Amino acid sequence: EIVLTQSPGTLSLSPGERATLSCRASQSVSSSYLAWYQQKPGQAPRLLIYGASSRATGIPDRFSGSGSGTDFTLTISRLEPEDFAVYYCQQYGSSPLELTFGGGTKVEIK
Amino acid sequence: EVQLVQSGAEVKKPGESLKISCKGSGYSFTSYWIGWVRQMPGKGLEWMGIIYPGDSDTRYSPSFQGQVTISADKSISTAYLQWSSLKASDTAMYYCVRHLHSGWANDAFDIWGQGTMVTVSS
Repeated sequence: EIVLTQSPGTLSLSPGERATLSCRASQSVSSSYLAWYQQKPGQAPRLLIYGASSRATGIPDRFSGSGSGTDFTLTISRLEPEDFAVYYCQQYGSSPLELTFGGGTKVEIK
Repeated sequence: EVQLVQSGAEVKKPGESLKISCKGSGYSFTSYWIGWVRQMPGKGLEWMGIIYPGDSDTRYSPSFQGQVTISADKSISTAYLQWSSLKASDTAMYYCVRHLHSGWANDAFDIWGQGTMVTVSS
């Protein structure tokens, strides 16, 4: 089983600042099958990034993903008020199939 | 519009059975894997399993194998998650999800249902 560890647990930033979120896998993630999701209180999660770096439909270009192997990063270039939320990474490349999530990073207003 | 619409909130007693549903629309239901994700109160996301409605091929997370049953009725574009005997620890929000690419089991989730809250309490 691939375990995903997200850091930090909480990130306190101000609007306009840059956010850098980390997701580290216990084993190499096949074919960069790594996704990022955003979840706001009381809402279902929303897909932001898939394939480590491809933005999902309708996602603003201030969101970007990078990384390969065991280390992945989600960057929000300039935080907007609506970006304060919890972010989860997910790997979907393992065999046998297991589509595991990280524990999440909360981005809060400083 | 592509969407997944889930059944409403449920309140059950320990030991009771339950089946919740997820109806897909706006796309070819039989061509995309559908999955279920659990979120316990105040906690993170947990993948439970997936089904391919085209042939009912089903895969489970080891953590949920034997604890729940995932099924689908392609004639009405609906997937299901069921329990035979609920426990208090099953209290959670359950989301159904659609995979991003047609036919891909190893995939991200691009469409999420609105969630079904299941409360199990005596």
